[in-house]
Amino acid sequence: EPEVTQTPSHQVTQMGQEVILRCVPISNHLYFYWYRQILGQKVEFLVSFYNNEISEKSEIFDDQFSVERPDGSNFTLKIRSTKLEDSAMYFCASSIDKKNIQYFGAGTRLSVL
Amino acid sequence: QKEVEQNSGPLSVPEGAIASLNCTYSDRVSQSFFWYRQYSGKSPELIMSIYSNGDKEDGRFTAQLNKASQYVSLLIRDSQPSDSATYLCAVNDRADGLTFGKGTHLIIQP
Repeated sequence: EPEVTQTPSHQVTQMGQEVILRCVPISNHLYFYWYRQILGQKVEFLVSFYNNEISEKSEIFDDQFSVERPDGSNFTLKIRSTKLEDSAMYFCASSIDKKNIQYFGAGTRLSVL
Repeated sequence: QKEVEQNSGPLSVPEGAIASLNCTYSDRVSQSFFWYRQYSGKSPELIMSIYSNGDKEDGRFTAQLNKASQYVSLLIRDSQPSDSATYLCAVNDRADGLTFGKGTHLIIQP
C-alpha cells in the first residue's frame, strides 16, 4: 500500500541552526502538507503546496519556514534558525485533491537544544 | 478563530461495548470531516471520512454528521483493547489544511 515516508525519524539540533525535514508523498497525489504537533498539544496545520507553489499557510508558518519540491518525488520543510519552541513532531501529508483524505507520514521528531 | 472542540477524556469503555466520541466545529461552511486515530508517539491514521449529513458505516465504525448542529460523531462497536488510542476529529475548514481538535483519549477496559 502506498505511503508517505519521512526522514529522518528524529533530528536533534542546536538552537539557531538550520534543519531540513524530508518527505516523499504518495506518488499520484497532488497536494502536500506540513503539520506540527508540540508534545501534548493538538496537530496544527503549517502549509499546503500545490503545483509547485504554496497554496495556503497558517499564521505559524512565518519567514523562518520554507518549503520546496526540489525534484519529482521529495517535499522538504526548512527551518532557517531553529528556536527551542520549534521542538515538536512534524508530519508530512499528501492528498489527491484538496478536500479529500490526507494521508500522514510517520513524522520527524525535532529536538532543539 | 476556527475551532474544533472535543472532550479530552479519558473516556473509559468496557471491552465489547460501544464507544461514542463527539466533536463540534465552528465554521458552518466546512465540507469535509475526518476521524483519525493516533497512538502515543505515532502519526494520525485515518479511520473515517464523511462529507454529507447522516451516517456512514465501515466495519465496526460509524461516523455521523449533522451540519445544522455543526456536530460530528464516531461510534465504535464491539470495542477492543486495541482501539485504545486518542481519536482526533479534523475539519477541512480552510482552503486546504485541516483543523484538528485536541483529541479524545479512549481507554477500552478488558
